[in-house]
Amino acid sequence: QAFLAQPPSVSKDLGQTATLTCTGSADNVGSRGAAWLQQHQGHPPKLLSSTDNNRPSGISERFLASRSGNTASLTIIRLLPEDEADYYCSTWDTSLSAWVFGGGTKLTVL
Amino acid sequence: QLLLVQSGAEVKKPGASVKLSCKTSGYSFMDFYMHWIRQAPGQGLEWMGIIKPRAGRTTYAQRFQGRVTMAWDTSTSTIFMELISLKSDDTAVYFCAREAGGFSDWGQGSLVIVSS
Repeated sequence: QAFLAQPPSVSKDLGQTATLTCTGSADNVGSRGAAWLQQHQGHPPKLLSSTDNNRPSGISERFLASRSGNTASLTIIRLLPEDEADYYCSTWDTSLSAWVFGGGTKLTVL
Repeated sequence: QLLLVQSGAEVKKPGASVKLSCKTSGYSFMDFYMHWIRQAPGQGLEWMGIIKPRAGRTTYAQRFQGRVTMAWDTSTSTIFMELISLKSDDTAVYFCAREAGGFSDWGQGSLVIVSS
């Protein structure tokens, strides 16, 4: 089972805003933040936001990452059809001395 | 241009072993950690371990300890992952990934099918 809790699915209308959450503990998200990955079917994941909430070069400003306590969030504004994908959070867990992932959220854009 | 190019698909019988490679280019190999991550069909991502080239160290996820060996070849900027005693639930796509604030760059994945 996943170490970080993500809702299995989120559905939003085209052009609306989706906020995806990732809940961990003080040993991981609370102390290290969380990185966000997007994965389209049949492709490797792509980094959308680093553990310190920075977007890599080339990532749209529509993707906004934040953290409050042990919960990280990814907000996607002005949803487009191509945003439909699986989204994973990940971070280092200081107690496990291991990288951990959330179970992923499948975002559907209606 | 940064590239991570992985070896091809493998079909193995239960109990066998598999060795995958990931050739990197376009950056300073010694200066970044590399990871192996796998994804079973229809499932999420699972971290397997980390290679720290400059430190000369590897660390494995607890559930793979004793079954996995990760290594690297500095001369070719290539990393390797060997998994032994394969079981059917090791069937997955195996990815290598470079760490830069997260898993910033990924190989294309290597499909490993374990079936009798």
